[in-house]
Amino acid sequence: AQKVTQAQTEISVVEKEDVTLDCVYETRDTTYYLFWYKQPPSGELVFLIRRNSFDEQNEISGRYSWNFQKSTSSFNFTITASQVVDSAVYFCALKPGGSYIPTFGRGTSLIVHP
Amino acid sequence: DTGVSQNPRHKITKRGQNVTFRCDPISEHNRLYWYRQTLGQGPEFLTYFQNEAQLEKSRLLSDRFSAERPKGSFSTLEIQRTEQGDSAMYLCASSLTETHGEQFFGPGTRLTVL
Repeated sequence: AQKVTQAQTEISVVEKEDVTLDCVYETRDTTYYLFWYKQPPSGELVFLIRRNSFDEQNEISGRYSWNFQKSTSSFNFTITASQVVDSAVYFCALKPGGSYIPTFGRGTSLIVHP
Repeated sequence: DTGVSQNPRHKITKRGQNVTFRCDPISEHNRLYWYRQTLGQGPEFLTYFQNEAQLEKSRLLSDRFSAERPKGSFSTLEIQRTEQGDSAMYLCASSLTETHGEQFFGPGTRLTVL
């Protein structure tokens, strides 16, 4: 069985602060894929990143960066210099290599105050 | 490419009534997924189509729920004899690549059962 834990229910920061969203996963599969999605108030989930289990390289995309560590089964997401537009619910998801179906965490609500 | 669209965006119904939702995926995507999302939770998988074939259904999908994807294009999700516990956001997603591909989500249909 797959499990994704996002222990932070809600995070509140002031604009320009850096913030890290935690994601811890459990799986017995050796091949799997990890995702982050953003769900703004409009409701539509937006894909941010996919990482496979064999690629532990960290990734940076603008103000976003991701830290994948298999040793701790974590796939954390950092937003540098947060902006009000970053306010949303962020979901981490896990998909086994042989499955079409991802398991989502419960999400972390990020509120960025001006 | 207009993305994944869902109709209606909101539906209010009385307990015991039947409702039907529609999802139009991205045109070239052959995979289509339905999810249910309740407040404070991540999306929960309901069912999955590859072209017109329904390949997997979650145990969450009781016999009151039925989904179709005629001709492998749009899909419908019908809920018969709605119950208050069916109140949720119903999300549709589509994808093109193999099992590790990211999914593109629609804006969802919010169902309220009175």
